[in-house]
Amino acid sequence: EIVMTQSPATLSVSPGERVTLSCRASQSVSNNVAWYQQKPGQAPRLLIYDASSRAISLPARFSGSGSGTEFTLTISSLQSEDLAVYFCQQYSSRPPWTFGQGTKVEIK
Amino acid sequence: QVQLVQSGAEVKKPGSSVKVSCKASGAIFSSYAISWLRQAPGQGLEWMGGIIPLYGTSNHAQKFQGRVTISADESTSTVYIDLSSLRSEDTAVYYCASGDNWFQSWGQGTLVTVSS
Repeated sequence: EIVMTQSPATLSVSPGERVTLSCRASQSVSNNVAWYQQKPGQAPRLLIYDASSRAISLPARFSGSGSGTEFTLTISSLQSEDLAVYFCQQYSSRPPWTFGQGTKVEIK
Repeated sequence: QVQLVQSGAEVKKPGSSVKVSCKASGAIFSSYAISWLRQAPGQGLEWMGGIIPLYGTSNHAQKFQGRVTISADESTSTVYIDLSSLRSEDTAVYYCASGDNWFQSWGQGTLVTVSS
């Protein structure tokens, strides 16, 4: 089973700042990574798939990059509504698909 | 884009079974893969398995071997997950989601509580 490790666990950021979230896979997953945003009490929301493809209606401030074992989700200018936990997920080769433990983004 | 509506919260005794439903609308039901995931309190997401109603084929994580059944009823555009031999560690919010590798649309979640 492929292990996805996210860092940091928590990030405190001021509105307008640039945010970079990291996700590392225990083995190469090519570009088979998705990112999700989960706000308190809500279901997750797909942000990025195939490492860098944007989901429908995703604000332009969100972008994804990476391949192999290292992946990044970037929020170019943090907005207050971006307070959430962000999860990465791999879907390389065969199931089980696995998720990172999440990075919580707090507004400073 | 498909919309998914799940059944309501359940409270179950250890050793019993639970069946959660997920009704789809807004797209051709049988052409979508539907997956099930769960999230224990304060924890991350766990993929459990999925089904493609068009083919009637399902798969699931080895962890749930022998305990999980995923099925679909095309006449009602509904997918089900049946989890048996429940234990306290199965307490979680269960989600259905469209897709078989990454997950575009999600149901609202169903809280399953396992408690004696």
